[in-house]
Amino acid sequence: DTGVSQDPRHKITKRGQNVTFRCDPISEHNRLYWYRQTLGQGPEFLTYFQNEAQLEKSRLLSDRFSAERPKGSFSTLEIQRTEQGDSAMYLCASSLVSRLRGANVLTFGAGSRLTVL
Amino acid sequence: ELKVEQNPLFLSMQEGKNYTIYCNYSTTSDRLYWYRQDPGKSLESLFVLLSNGAVKQEGRLMASLDTKARLSTLHITAAVHDLSATYFCAVHVDSNYQLIWGAGTKLIIKP
Repeated sequence: DTGVSQDPRHKITKRGQNVTFRCDPISEHNRLYWYRQTLGQGPEFLTYFQNEAQLEKSRLLSDRFSAERPKGSFSTLEIQRTEQGDSAMYLCASSLVSRLRGANVLTFGAGSRLTVL
Repeated sequence: ELKVEQNPLFLSMQEGKNYTIYCNYSTTSDRLYWYRQDPGKSLESLFVLLSNGAVKQEGRLMASLDTKARLSTLHITAAVHDLSATYFCAVHVDSNYQLIWGAGTKLIIKP
């Protein structure tokens, strides 16, 4: 397992189009996160899954955004009717959370950079 | 609302100098994380601090946690150019292990 993979790495689209990003986490990790990052800022939480269950969504995640993690494996993040303000780096991360470990160390993918024209 | 504040947000320094980055947070937590991000790259975990008084060191970087003061520091000793990056701290504050991130400190080390 080589880490967290994201695809595509770059996406340029026109305003109003739909885009989908895919994330393949580390296989033994039970959590998967989506974050958004804009230039000069820290990661902004969007949503996360514990196995296949989506447990929390940020208020940043408008109804144009949807995320899925079928069967608790890979995840997709879809943005419908893209707007210029959606331009950002979309980061996926995974982690193995257990009470025994007591910590939540995220392994990030390389990100998918979205540019909306 | 939990806030995580880093300072400085930008730091330019010469090689060989020492400096400290500060991470303050506004509510009780005993789990703090430091990450590094190189330009155009993703985030890499550096340190996990799991208790009051915890200190971790890796090379020229040393991180510490004071949960009573709600403060973590990342100290750089005898800086080298390769340490140029943006450094983020993150705090987890609930039983769901959710992380709240600071805005990052952009560190530039001039040869």
